[in-house]
Amino acid sequence: ETGVTQSPTHLIKTRGQQVTLRCSSQSGHNTVSWYQQALGQGPQFIFQYYREEENGRGNFPPRFSGLQFPNYSSELNVNALELDDSALYLCASSTRDYITTGELFFGEGSRLTVL
Amino acid sequence: AQSVTQLGSHVSVSEGALVLLRCNYSSSVPPYLFWYVQYPNQGLQLLLKYTTGATLVKGINGFEAEFKKSETSFHLTKPSAHMSDAAEYFCAVRPSGAGSYQLTFGKGTKLSVIP
Repeated sequence: ETGVTQSPTHLIKTRGQQVTLRCSSQSGHNTVSWYQQALGQGPQFIFQYYREEENGRGNFPPRFSGLQFPNYSSELNVNALELDDSALYLCASSTRDYITTGELFFGEGSRLTVL
Repeated sequence: AQSVTQLGSHVSVSEGALVLLRCNYSSSVPPYLFWYVQYPNQGLQLLLKYTTGATLVKGINGFEAEFKKSETSFHLTKPSAHMSDAAEYFCAVRPSGAGSYQLTFGKGTKLSVIP
């Protein structure tokens, strides 16, 4: 069983640039969530995708956007990067049963540094 | 609105000693509760969860937690610490209703195990 994989693992950008982070969900999973984990903090929910549509969003501005593809992989896009966007971005996949089981499977994350 | 408070950002125990990591939550509806563990440079791994039923739940690696509604707590324990338990631990909460996707995490507790 293939786990959740994320790419790239590390990247450095400058303020104002745009970044795309990618996630391949675990085999058999159709729901993808993205979380931002700033240094010394717990993860914060960005949004979730199911069947290629966003169906839940946390308190993040519109410059954070995403996509889910027919194979359930996903992208997180961040425009107009700010210094505070420096964080570990975690992707988590689940089955639709997540509603009742609550179990998410996390990737190892993409660490973004904004200079 | 939900929130999670983890008492103690850093806990140190001796190898073989009891591990107790504290988590209190606030939620306007009955919650689902989770503990995740994060090893350095890795993603989050589910340790255990409470959704319904028995309030004492057992997880992986010998950990267990008890849901106490009257105290709004979900503390994590392990009778005997092992060196391999050194990691960061996150408590998380999610509303139990359908359509609720977002996990709210605490800030984490870093566990150090002293030989």
